[in-house]
Amino acid sequence: KAGVTQTPRYLIKTRGQQVTLSCSPISGHRSVSWYQQTPGQGLQFLFEYFSETQRNKGNFPGRFSGRQFSNSRSEMNVSTLELGDSALYLCASSLVGQYTGELFFGEGSRLTVL
Amino acid sequence: QKEVEQDPGPLSVPEGAIVSLNCTYSNSAFQYFMWYRQYSRKGPELLMYTYSSGNKEDGRFTAQVDKSSKYISLFIRDSQPSDSATYLCAMSYQGGSEKLVFGKGTKLTVNP
Repeated sequence: KAGVTQTPRYLIKTRGQQVTLSCSPISGHRSVSWYQQTPGQGLQFLFEYFSETQRNKGNFPGRFSGRQFSNSRSEMNVSTLELGDSALYLCASSLVGQYTGELFFGEGSRLTVL
Repeated sequence: QKEVEQDPGPLSVPEGAIVSLNCTYSNSAFQYFMWYRQYSRKGPELLMYTYSSGNKEDGRFTAQVDKSSKYISLFIRDSQPSDSATYLCAMSYQGGSEKLVFGKGTKLTVNP
């Protein structure tokens, strides 16, 4: 069974640009979430989607947005990039049902903002 | 004060040592407690999950939750070089949600 797939794996942007990251969850998983990981702040929750609806949102500015499609695939967008947006962006998916605390993470998209 | 505090280490131990990793938290609303392991250049993977207070054992790993002290621990017995990774504690208010609050992680190196 394929894991969570994130594209692109690495990207470099300049300040002011925007970026779109893509995530394909594990087949059958309908819940998808995004996290930002930096050395200074660690892993921080961005947002969570289930059946194309945003269920939760973290404490990030409106420049960070996301969506989920009917096939459960998800995208996140960051507009007007700032240097501080340089981070590893991780997507995770889970199987809705009995809660086990288990999120299945992808390997991440590493964004560098110059 | 951050909701979840975790000593970042790094922690270096010899093979076979017992490792103790800890997190403290401030919000008593947390009900679900997890430990994730993250190898270099990989996403985190779930190691242990505990609901509310108590102990849970899985092979060489034991997770403890003390809600009265707002303190959770992970013990690794007979540590192996393959255990070298960053260990992240994580907590959640509600079951069924993917919104987790993570500690910053402790980097562990087990030396052969």
